[in-house]
Amino acid sequence: GESVGLHLPTLSVQEGDNSIINCAYSNSASDYFIWYKQESGKGPQFIIDIRSNMDKRQGQRVTVLLNKTVKHLSLQIAATQPGDSAVYFCAESSGGYNKLIFGAGTRLAVHP
Amino acid sequence: KAGVTQTPRYLIKTRGQQVTLSCSPISGHRSVSWYQQTPGQGLQFLFEYFSETQRNKGNFPGRFSGRQFSNSRSEMNVSTLELGDSALYLCASSLAGRLNTGELFFGEGSRLTVL
Repeated sequence: GESVGLHLPTLSVQEGDNSIINCAYSNSASDYFIWYKQESGKGPQFIIDIRSNMDKRQGQRVTVLLNKTVKHLSLQIAATQPGDSAVYFCAESSGGYNKLIFGAGTRLAVHP
Repeated sequence: KAGVTQTPRYLIKTRGQQVTLSCSPISGHRSVSWYQQTPGQGLQFLFEYFSETQRNKGNFPGRFSGRQFSNSRSEMNVSTLELGDSALYLCASSLAGRLNTGELFFGEGSRLTVL
Protein backbone atom coordinates (compact mmCIF):
# COMPACT_ATOMS: atom_id res chain seq x y z
CA GLY A 1 0.00 0.00 0.00
CA GLU A 2 0.97 3.64 -0.19
CA SER A 3 3.21 5.02 2.49
CA VAL A 4 1.55 7.64 4.66
CA GLY A 5 4.81 8.85 6.12
CA LEU A 6 8.31 7.60 5.48
CA HIS A 7 9.93 8.68 8.75
CA LEU A 8 7.17 8.51 11.32
CA PRO A 9 7.96 7.52 14.89
CA THR A 10 6.93 3.94 15.46
CA LEU A 11 5.44 2.35 18.54
CA SER A 12 5.82 -1.43 18.59
CA VAL A 13 3.66 -3.43 21.00
CA GLN A 14 2.73 -7.02 21.62
CA GLU A 15 -0.79 -8.14 20.89
CA GLY A 16 -2.85 -7.87 24.06
CA ASP A 17 -0.73 -5.13 25.60
CA ASN A 18 -1.97 -1.58 26.15
CA SER A 19 -0.69 1.15 23.82
CA ILE A 20 -0.19 4.81 24.59
CA ILE A 21 0.32 7.27 21.75
CA ASN A 22 1.30 10.81 22.65
CA CYS A 23 0.83 14.11 20.91
CA ALA A 24 1.92 17.66 21.68
CA TYR A 25 -0.38 20.27 20.20
CA SER A 26 0.59 23.76 19.23
CA ASN A 27 -2.21 26.24 19.86
CA SER A 28 -3.26 27.06 23.41
CA ALA A 29 -6.52 28.42 21.98
CA SER A 30 -7.49 25.05 20.50
CA ASP A 31 -10.71 23.82 22.01
CA TYR A 32 -11.43 20.60 20.17
CA PHE A 33 -9.15 17.61 19.70
CA ILE A 34 -9.54 14.44 17.71
CA TRP A 35 -7.65 11.22 17.14
CA TYR A 36 -7.69 9.60 13.71
CA LYS A 37 -6.47 6.23 12.51
CA GLN A 38 -5.22 5.81 8.96
CA GLU A 39 -4.62 2.43 7.38
CA SER A 40 -2.56 2.05 4.25
CA GLY A 41 -4.43 3.21 1.16
CA LYS A 42 -7.35 4.63 3.11
CA GLY A 43 -8.48 7.99 4.42
CA PRO A 44 -8.25 8.87 8.11
CA GLN A 45 -10.92 7.29 10.29
CA PHE A 46 -12.32 9.04 13.36
CA ILE A 47 -11.52 7.29 16.65
CA ILE A 48 -12.45 9.63 19.46
CA ASP A 49 -12.67 13.33 20.25
CA ILE A 50 -12.52 15.55 23.29
CA ARG A 51 -13.38 19.17 23.98
CA SER A 52 -11.22 21.45 26.05
CA ASN A 53 -13.66 21.51 28.97
CA MET A 54 -12.85 17.85 29.62
CA ASP A 55 -9.61 16.09 30.55
CA LYS A 56 -10.61 12.51 29.85
CA ARG A 57 -12.99 10.70 27.57
CA GLN A 58 -13.49 6.99 27.08
CA GLY A 59 -14.71 5.00 24.13
CA GLN A 60 -14.66 1.36 23.29
CA ARG A 61 -11.12 0.18 24.15
CA VAL A 62 -9.83 3.72 23.73
CA THR A 63 -9.29 6.60 26.14
CA VAL A 64 -8.15 10.12 25.31
CA LEU A 65 -6.45 12.26 27.93
CA LEU A 66 -6.02 16.00 27.59
CA ASN A 67 -3.55 18.07 29.61
CA LYS A 68 -4.05 21.70 28.68
CA THR A 69 -1.33 22.90 31.05
CA VAL A 70 1.40 21.29 28.97
CA LYS A 71 -0.60 21.12 25.70
CA HIS A 72 -0.47 17.34 25.59
CA LEU A 73 -2.89 14.76 24.28
CA SER A 74 -2.66 11.01 24.56
CA LEU A 75 -4.54 8.06 23.15
CA GLN A 76 -4.66 4.84 25.11
CA ILE A 77 -5.68 1.64 23.39
CA ALA A 78 -6.50 -1.29 25.65
CA ALA A 79 -5.71 -4.87 24.67
CA THR A 80 -4.12 -3.87 21.37
CA GLN A 81 -5.01 -6.09 18.42
CA PRO A 82 -3.30 -6.67 15.05
CA GLY A 83 -6.14 -4.71 13.42
CA ASP A 84 -5.02 -1.66 15.39
CA SER A 85 -1.83 -1.47 13.30
CA ALA A 86 -2.01 1.84 11.46
CA VAL A 87 -0.80 5.43 11.59
CA TYR A 88 -2.46 7.51 14.29
CA PHE A 89 -2.88 11.27 14.03
CA CYS A 90 -3.95 13.78 16.60
CA ALA A 91 -5.67 16.92 15.34
CA GLU A 92 -6.67 20.20 16.94
CA SER A 93 -9.18 22.86 16.07
CA SER A 94 -10.22 26.24 17.40
CA GLY A 95 -12.94 28.76 16.74
CA GLY A 96 -15.73 26.38 15.89
CA TYR A 97 -14.77 25.60 12.32
CA ASN A 98 -13.64 22.41 10.64
CA LYS A 99 -10.08 23.56 10.05
CA LEU A 100 -8.02 20.84 11.65
CA ILE A 101 -4.31 21.08 12.36
CA PHE A 102 -2.88 17.57 12.24
CA GLY A 103 0.14 16.24 14.09
CA ALA A 104 2.86 14.37 12.25
CA GLY A 105 1.47 10.95 13.15
CA THR A 106 2.71 7.84 14.94
CA ARG A 107 2.89 4.41 13.38
CA LEU A 108 1.58 1.64 15.64
CA ALA A 109 2.92 -1.83 14.89
CA VAL A 110 1.24 -4.71 16.72
CA HIS A 111 3.18 -7.98 16.89
CA PRO A 112 1.58 -11.35 17.59
CA LYS B 1 -25.41 5.14 4.06
CA ALA B 2 -22.78 5.85 1.42
CA GLY B 3 -19.52 7.38 2.61
CA VAL B 4 -17.56 10.26 1.15
CA THR B 5 -16.80 9.53 -2.49
CA GLN B 6 -13.81 11.00 -4.27
CA THR B 7 -13.04 10.78 -7.96
CA PRO B 8 -10.76 10.00 -9.60
CA ARG B 9 -8.85 7.76 -7.20
CA TYR B 10 -5.61 7.97 -9.16
CA LEU B 11 -4.36 10.33 -11.81
CA ILE B 12 -1.12 11.29 -13.47
CA LYS B 13 -0.48 14.75 -14.88
CA THR B 14 2.53 16.63 -16.20
CA ARG B 15 3.93 19.91 -14.97
CA GLY B 16 1.98 22.93 -16.13
CA GLN B 17 -1.30 21.08 -16.55
CA GLN B 18 -4.32 21.61 -14.38
CA VAL B 19 -6.46 19.10 -12.52
CA THR B 20 -9.96 18.97 -11.07
CA LEU B 21 -10.86 16.60 -8.26
CA SER B 22 -14.39 15.82 -7.17
CA CYS B 23 -15.93 14.99 -3.82
CA SER B 24 -19.44 13.84 -2.97
CA PRO B 25 -20.13 14.20 0.76
CA ILE B 26 -22.28 11.97 2.90
CA SER B 27 -25.94 12.70 2.29
CA GLY B 28 -27.10 15.53 4.53
CA HIS B 29 -23.60 16.88 5.20
CA ARG B 30 -23.20 20.50 4.22
CA SER B 31 -19.59 21.05 5.22
CA VAL B 32 -16.82 19.81 2.93
CA SER B 33 -13.12 20.23 3.68
CA TRP B 34 -10.07 19.44 1.59
CA TYR B 35 -6.66 18.32 2.85
CA GLN B 36 -3.37 17.58 1.15
CA GLN B 37 -1.30 14.69 2.48
CA THR B 38 2.37 14.22 1.63
CA PRO B 39 5.09 12.17 3.35
CA GLY B 40 7.09 15.32 4.04
CA GLN B 41 4.42 17.77 5.19
CA GLY B 42 1.77 15.39 6.53
CA LEU B 43 -1.88 16.40 6.44
CA GLN B 44 -2.44 20.05 5.64
CA PHE B 45 -5.73 21.93 5.47
CA LEU B 46 -6.58 23.44 2.10
CA PHE B 47 -10.06 24.91 2.51
CA GLU B 48 -13.55 24.31 3.83
CA TYR B 49 -16.89 24.99 2.21
CA PHE B 50 -20.25 25.31 3.87
CA SER B 51 -23.45 26.06 1.98
CA GLU B 52 -21.50 26.94 -1.18
CA THR B 53 -19.30 29.47 0.66
CA GLN B 54 -15.64 29.11 1.45
CA ARG B 55 -15.48 29.84 5.14
CA ASN B 56 -11.88 28.88 5.89
CA LYS B 57 -8.69 28.66 3.89
CA GLY B 58 -5.26 27.22 4.56
CA ASN B 59 -1.87 28.51 3.51
CA PHE B 60 -1.71 27.36 -0.08
CA PRO B 61 -1.02 29.46 -3.17
CA GLY B 62 -3.82 30.76 -5.35
CA ARG B 63 -3.23 27.90 -7.80
CA PHE B 64 -5.35 25.84 -5.43
CA SER B 65 -9.03 26.66 -5.59
CA GLY B 66 -12.31 25.01 -4.86
CA ARG B 67 -16.03 25.38 -5.00
CA GLN B 68 -19.15 23.79 -3.63
CA PHE B 69 -22.40 23.24 -5.43
CA SER B 70 -25.95 23.54 -4.15
CA ASN B 71 -26.11 19.78 -3.60
CA SER B 72 -23.01 20.06 -1.35
CA ARG B 73 -20.77 18.28 -3.83
CA SER B 74 -17.39 19.94 -4.04
CA GLU B 75 -14.55 20.23 -6.51
CA MET B 76 -11.02 21.44 -6.09
CA ASN B 77 -8.77 22.61 -8.87
CA VAL B 78 -5.03 22.93 -9.06
CA SER B 79 -3.67 24.95 -11.96
CA THR B 80 -0.14 25.07 -13.37
CA LEU B 81 0.85 21.87 -11.65
CA GLU B 82 4.26 21.56 -10.04
CA LEU B 83 6.14 18.42 -9.06
CA GLY B 84 5.55 19.27 -5.40
CA ASP B 85 1.79 19.04 -5.89
CA SER B 86 2.10 15.26 -6.02
CA ALA B 87 0.08 14.14 -3.03
CA LEU B 88 -2.98 12.40 -1.72
CA TYR B 89 -5.87 14.87 -1.73
CA LEU B 90 -8.45 14.05 0.89
CA CYS B 91 -11.97 15.32 1.15
CA ALA B 92 -13.92 15.23 4.39
CA SER B 93 -17.54 15.99 5.10
CA SER B 94 -19.24 16.93 8.33
CA LEU B 95 -22.71 17.37 9.67
CA ALA B 96 -21.46 20.45 11.54
CA GLY B 97 -23.49 23.59 11.27
CA ARG B 98 -22.32 27.16 11.07
CA LEU B 99 -20.85 27.38 14.52
CA ASN B 100 -19.94 23.85 15.47
CA THR B 101 -17.12 21.53 14.78
CA GLY B 102 -18.15 17.99 14.19
CA GLU B 103 -16.78 14.62 13.31
CA LEU B 104 -15.10 14.67 9.93
CA PHE B 105 -15.67 11.70 7.67
CA PHE B 106 -12.87 11.30 5.16
CA GLY B 107 -12.96 9.80 1.72
CA GLU B 108 -10.21 7.52 0.47
CA GLY B 109 -8.55 10.31 -1.43
CA SER B 110 -7.39 11.14 -4.92
CA ARG B 111 -3.74 10.33 -5.48
CA LEU B 112 -2.18 12.83 -7.85
CA THR B 113 1.21 12.23 -9.42
CA VAL B 114 2.83 15.10 -11.30
CA LEU B 115 5.59 14.15 -13.74
